[in-house]
Amino acid sequence: GAGVSQTPSNKVTEKGKYVELRCDPISGHTALYWYRQSLGQGPEFLIYFQGTGAADDSGLPNDRFFAVRPEGSVSTLKIQRTERGDSAVYLCASSLTHASGSTDTQYFGPGTRLTVL
Amino acid sequence: AQSVSQHNHHVILSEAASLELGCNYSYGGTVNLFWYVQYPGQHLQLLLKYFSGDPLVKGIKGFEAEFIKSKFSFNLRKPSVQWSDTAEYFCAVKFKGSARQLTFGSGTQLTVLP
Repeated sequence: GAGVSQTPSNKVTEKGKYVELRCDPISGHTALYWYRQSLGQGPEFLIYFQGTGAADDSGLPNDRFFAVRPEGSVSTLKIQRTERGDSAVYLCASSLTHASGSTDTQYFGPGTRLTVL
Repeated sequence: AQSVSQHNHHVILSEAASLELGCNYSYGGTVNLFWYVQYPGQHLQLLLKYFSGDPLVKGIKGFEAEFIKSKFSFNLRKPSVQWSDTAEYFCAVKFKGSARQLTFGSGTQLTVLP
């Protein structure tokens, strides 16, 4: 079946602009995660959705970052007033949540490389 | 704060050499452990995972890892590497009580010389 997809694959923007990054999870996966990966680092957690609601947004760096998942499937990460320090690869992952509440393995998309000039 | 350490940033091996990549975490409670691999130009892929049971887990492509609770470690091993194993390897941990997110190490770049 299809994996996690993310669009666009690359986004170049100017400082101060607004950007939206999209994630389409694996069909049937109720949990969705956003991570950010800076050069030379491992991915860092941003936000986690269970269904339509943000279950944990403790990783969002500041209020310029916001994410939605209105129908419990596709998610959009929104960044306002972009700064050069926001340049990174933004990764999306999805996983099943079992009836017991435990979650399974996270499957990652290819990422969106954001460059803020 | 809970953290994951990968001490080897770059490892260079010749084909057929044995591989061991270190991963340590700072937490004494229940953990789920993962190794992901990122081949050049590709996305993160799961190599293997440990949730419970036998601490020696086998993954794809001949990789294995051993969970040693007393050492807070989950080292990745392969007895004989191939040129196609050239990639970046990430250790990741899900700490109990930290919701669902993974905490990643900074990664180890493995280069296998033909």
